[in-house]
This record gives sequence, structure tokens and C-alpha cells, in this order.
Amino acid sequence: QQQVKQSPQSLIVQKGGISIINCAYENTAFDYFPWYQQFPGKGPALLIAIRPDVSEKKEGRFTISFNKSAKQFSLHIMDSQPGDSATYFCAARNGNRDDKIIFGKGTRLHILP
Amino acid sequence: DVKVTQSSRYLVKRTGEKVFLECVQDMDHENMFWYRQDPGLGLRLIYFSYDVKMKEKGDIPEGYSVSREKKERFSLILESASTNQTSMYLCASSRVGVPSYEQYFGPGTRLTVT
Repeated sequence: QQQVKQSPQSLIVQKGGISIINCAYENTAFDYFPWYQQFPGKGPALLIAIRPDVSEKKEGRFTISFNKSAKQFSLHIMDSQPGDSATYFCAARNGNRDDKIIFGKGTRLHILP
Repeated sequence: DVKVTQSSRYLVKRTGEKVFLECVQDMDHENMFWYRQDPGLGLRLIYFSYDVKMKEKGDIPEGYSVSREKKERFSLILESASTNQTSMYLCASSRVGVPSYEQYFGPGTRLTVT
């Protein structure tokens, strides 16, 4: 059973546009929601993370929006650049179960130059 | 900079072979993890370890075992490789006392079993 649902699977955005990736979860035991960025040939790297008691967190051009009542969260990349082309994973930490991280299936983002 | 290294970037093995994947981290992290990454399935946790000689099963441990004899080294073992174990294998580490989502990943080993 997939515990973190991520969409879309792939996304193409024009340079300068806004990239939006959405995730949803069911388990209320999740207590942290990180996003990872993975470039080809590299392992994932932590990009930004949010707690469920915060509705928005911004780091540079990257913003996480969190809707606790809807159990949804999303990553927005403003002014998207070709260098942002990568695979993005949303994830959730289960605070009740060995702090394991559950990953979404990933979104392959391509920014057109 | 945290560095997590994996012994091979690419590996080709035959069905039934015993396969060892090695992971070493240089930042004295207590926690280490093994994931497999498959297209459309994301990352799935195979095994993890919070201390030397300690191991815990993840979500898909069948067909795998692990060994952690030293703090910096975490090995994944495929006892008898099968074609359905063809995948990208990622090792990660993290420090106790920081949120467990702050995991540092190695570059991965792409294993092909023929």
C-alpha cells in the first residue's frame, strides 16, 4: 500500500515558469515531510522539509505548501531553470515507527531552455 | 562535506551468484540505510542499522541480508541473486540527534542480474 502518493510522474515546464509537484498522504503518524532532489547519476539530496504545524516554508526559489486538513503538500519551484531538471521525491517520516522515511514514486521534471 | 561512497557504480552478476554491495561513510554517522530504486516505484527501504552489529528489516528485506561490523561500513548481501533484483541500490547515512529525514545518499550501484 502506497502511503505517499505523488503526482505527476513527469512534468515539462518552460524556463521561467512555475513547477508544481503534489503529494498526498493518509497516515496521521507522519511528522516530517521532506523533499529530495536527484540528478542523473547521483543519489537523492535533501532539498527542503516541513513540519505539519507549518503551512508554508520557503528556501530561495523552492516553496513547500502544506494543507494538514486535506493531508496534502506540494513543492513549488518559482522561476524554473534548466538546472532544476531532475527527479523530485516527496517523502514522509513516520514518527511512530523507527523514524522510517516513506518516499513517493518521484516526478521527473524537465525545464525547457 | 559528508561523503557516502559505494564500492561499484555498475555491476553485472549471474543468477544464483552471491553479491556483496559495500557502502562507506566518512562522517561518523550512527545510522545507515539500504534502499532500492526502481522506475515508477520510488525508493524502497531494504534494511537499516542504528549501530554496529545492529540491523532492522525495512519494507522489502526478502532475498537480502546486511552486515555492519564497523560504524562506517554497511554491506548489503544478495545471497542468491535473481533477475528481479536487477535495480539501482542506494546507500544512505544520517546522524543520531538530527531529524532522520536528513539522510545523505551515495551515488548508487546499478546492478544487473542476468
